[in-house]
Parts: sequence; C-alpha cells; structure tokens
Amino acid sequence: GQSLEQPSEVTAVEGAIVQINCTYQTSGFYGLSWYQQHDGGAPTFLSYNALDGLEETGRFSSFLSRSDSYGYLLLQELQMKDSASYFCAVRDLSGGYQKVTFGIGTKLQVIP
Amino acid sequence: NAGVTQTPKFRILKIGQSMTLQCTQDMNHNYMYWYRQDPGMGLKLIYYSVGAGITDKGEVPNGYNVSRSTTEDFPLRLELAAPSQTSVYFCASRGGGFGETQYFGPGTRLLVL
Repeated sequence: GQSLEQPSEVTAVEGAIVQINCTYQTSGFYGLSWYQQHDGGAPTFLSYNALDGLEETGRFSSFLSRSDSYGYLLLQELQMKDSASYFCAVRDLSGGYQKVTFGIGTKLQVIP
Repeated sequence: NAGVTQTPKFRILKIGQSMTLQCTQDMNHNYMYWYRQDPGMGLKLIYYSVGAGITDKGEVPNGYNVSRSTTEDFPLRLELAAPSQTSVYFCASRGGGFGETQYFGPGTRLLVL
C-alpha cells in the first residue's frame, strides 16, 4: 500500500519562507500533488509534480525527487492568509490510476 | 460556472437512518470522487467514477453506495448510518487526460448520533 509522512505542525513568521516536506512509500508512483485547506473549507489544488525538479507558481513552489521518494512545498513571502493545512497526495498506478492517497496534513501557522 | 456543488451542508442522522449526499458539477468532467475527512486527518477515498455508468470502490467503501447516471451528478448513499460515519464528506471532480487538478465541493458535515 501507500504511505505518506509530513510534519503535523509548522510555525513561521510573516514574510519568511517555509518548507513543508513529504516522504512517501509506494509502488508504481505516478505523481505528487499539494493541496491547501483552510479551517472549515474545501481543499484547493496548489501544484503537481510528476518529474524530478522544481515547479513554481507565484509564491509557491513544489519539488520532487523520485529517487528519494521525497517532495516539498515551499511557501515564500508568507502572509497571514497562508495559515492553513497543507496536504501532499500521491497518485499510484499500482492502486489504479484514479486512486490518490492523501497525507494527514501539515498545519501551518503564520505569526506576525 | 458554479463548479462542484454539494447538498446538504450539514445533517444530523440517527443510527440506522439512511440518506443521500448530492454532488453536481458543471464543468463536464469525466472523473468524480467522494472523500471523507475525519477531524485532524487527511482525505480518504470512498468511491470514484470515470464516467457516466462507471464507478469503483476506493479505500473505505463499506457502508456507502454510489451511482453515476449522468456526467453531472454523483450521489453518495449512506445506508444504516453508524457513528463511525460521522465525518465531513467532500465531492471532487477532474477533467480528462493526465490533468491532476481536482476541484472540490464545499463539503457536507454529517453527524450520526
């Protein structure tokens, strides 16, 4: 089966940079996604990596190393509104293409 | 576009009751999903569909049923509700091809007492 590990909580200062790591164990790895979820809200898609390297979307970047089964989400110029939970999710072909496994999420608190 | 809509927003059920959670998307997406999210946890896939008339089980399908008679609608049926089904339920949809973005509905909070 698949498993993902990410830190449960991270605290960072407004304006700073924070990195949220995700390690995974799976067979037939296809890609790693990141989602943001504010308290009481629905998850929203942030980024997706299928190949090694860095994907940049504005203040957010996501990195993947397939050989290390590792990825991270990098948030720059942190704003108070970035306080939310961030989930990594893997798509695994061995479980069927349509099945995505989510991590338990990292709760980010941005402080002034 | 409204995107993905879900009804109801909140529901209280008694043990043994049944209900249907509604999900509709107006983006003409082929793929639709039902997830549940327990407090402080990630999302667990219940059922998914790759198109009208085609559904399959996810990670935690027991106690649930789905149908997909149209592209737009993907209702989730709970039979004989149990306290373990207390959760927040999210419906999501995704376009075809290898596009990764899943669009989530606002969720239905279900409490089974």
